[in-house]
Amino acid sequence: DSGVTQTPKHLITATGQRVTLRCSPRSGDLSVYWYQQSLDQGLQFLIQYYNGEERAKGNILERFSAQQFPDLHSELNLSSLELGDSALYFCASSLSGQDNQPQHFGDGTRLSIL
Amino acid sequence: GESVGLHLPTLSVQEGDNSIINCAYSNSASDYFIWYKQESGKGPQFIIDIRSNMDKRQGQRVTVLLNKTVKHLSLQIAATQPGDSAVYFCAENMWSGNQFYFGTGTSLTVIP
Repeated sequence: DSGVTQTPKHLITATGQRVTLRCSPRSGDLSVYWYQQSLDQGLQFLIQYYNGEERAKGNILERFSAQQFPDLHSELNLSSLELGDSALYFCASSLSGQDNQPQHFGDGTRLSIL
Repeated sequence: GESVGLHLPTLSVQEGDNSIINCAYSNSASDYFIWYKQESGKGPQFIIDIRSNMDKRQGQRVTVLLNKTVKHLSLQIAATQPGDSAVYFCAENMWSGNQFYFGTGTSLTVIP
């Protein structure tokens, strides 16, 4: 158990809809990262937060947004969903946003767009 | 550009044998690397890490070797067990802010 909790585990919705994925980092970790993993693809970095503030952006679409709250949990919002958004979405956390620290992952949310 | 890639997408080994999973990286400035294991339905699980000032690091049944000259990373698993069957990723910390680039993974299958 990594200590990172993601909900829900599965999400099925239709095109055009909007969903919110939730992540609670490991106790004591201040930095949260979101990744997308499509079939046969590696982990694609989306966005990073550190202590409530956006730290870095990766390949995140404009239809997607995220935030980190004062209690350090984070939410990833996906809107105007398309079939291609079907994927596993992982959250990871690390102690701080400093370099050379391991990231610990949750078990992900599987998003299926019908 | 930067890339983290694996030489073999799939690897099958006999139970009890040693496994070696390889990874090539392209950025010589990368100074921290992690191996992750991902089982079906689970998130990536931290196995072992290594910093660029080291050539070798050992854990429980696992060893990571770093060859900076040829920009190559390997994960050795001793006495491979059925529970080791999973996809293994190498990750490279290249950018500031603890951002990692992940390879596409190698699928390890252990034959009983």
